[in-house]
Amino acid sequence: EEQLVESGGGLVQPGGSLRLSCAASGFSVSIDYMNWVRQVPGKGLEWVSIIYSGTITYYADSVKGRFTISRDNSKNTLYLQMNSLRPEDTAVYYCAIDTHSRERADHWGQGTLVTVSS
Amino acid sequence: QSVLTQPPSASGTPGQRVTISCSGSSSNIGSKTVNWYQQLPGTAPKLLIYNSNQRPSRVPDRFSGSKSGTSASLAISGLQSEDEADYYCATWDDSLNGWVFGGGTKLTVL
Repeated sequence: EEQLVESGGGLVQPGGSLRLSCAASGFSVSIDYMNWVRQVPGKGLEWVSIIYSGTITYYADSVKGRFTISRDNSKNTLYLQMNSLRPEDTAVYYCAIDTHSRERADHWGQGTLVTVSS
Repeated sequence: QSVLTQPPSASGTPGQRVTISCSGSSSNIGSKTVNWYQQLPGTAPKLLIYNSNQRPSRVPDRFSGSKSGTSASLAISGLQSEDEADYYCATWDDSLNGWVFGGGTKLTVL
């Protein structure tokens, strides 16, 4: 069964750091397009970042310079290193992937909650 | 303030047909295909429509999508209670180099 499992969320103080992970399993084809999307509880979806073709990365303006997306193909795992965290980064972070296009995601993880608060 | 504009709410009775609109600009919907995601209460989003009008095989044909110019629409026919969810349109934006989402439409089945 194809599955994405996020981990690494939790409570962190403003200015702190956190690294999220997304482990992919059960996929029979190579996953080229991997994203992070976040959602403030009760609010809408916000795209955060994408990595594809191994090294191409893009970020939302709201996280540029603070967050870094990366992947370890040997572990089938996607990461999001989050530094200089702010209260407005509080959200559920979803891993979302697609095997064909950078413009959509046909598989989503269950999400991991990040809370930035003192 | 979302880049794509959706109505915050929509409603219908079982069996009815409802449509949800999504408005953008030339740098996103006007030049790209549109995707729609369904988010059932307490769950992660799921891809419902891709390439503006294509359905993943698991999605019933009651759901359909269309695009014209800088706008797109999601139509749900034969409305069922299990369709009650939040629906988001999304597309790639060339000027932002990333996805943009609509603010979401909460569909209520009366």
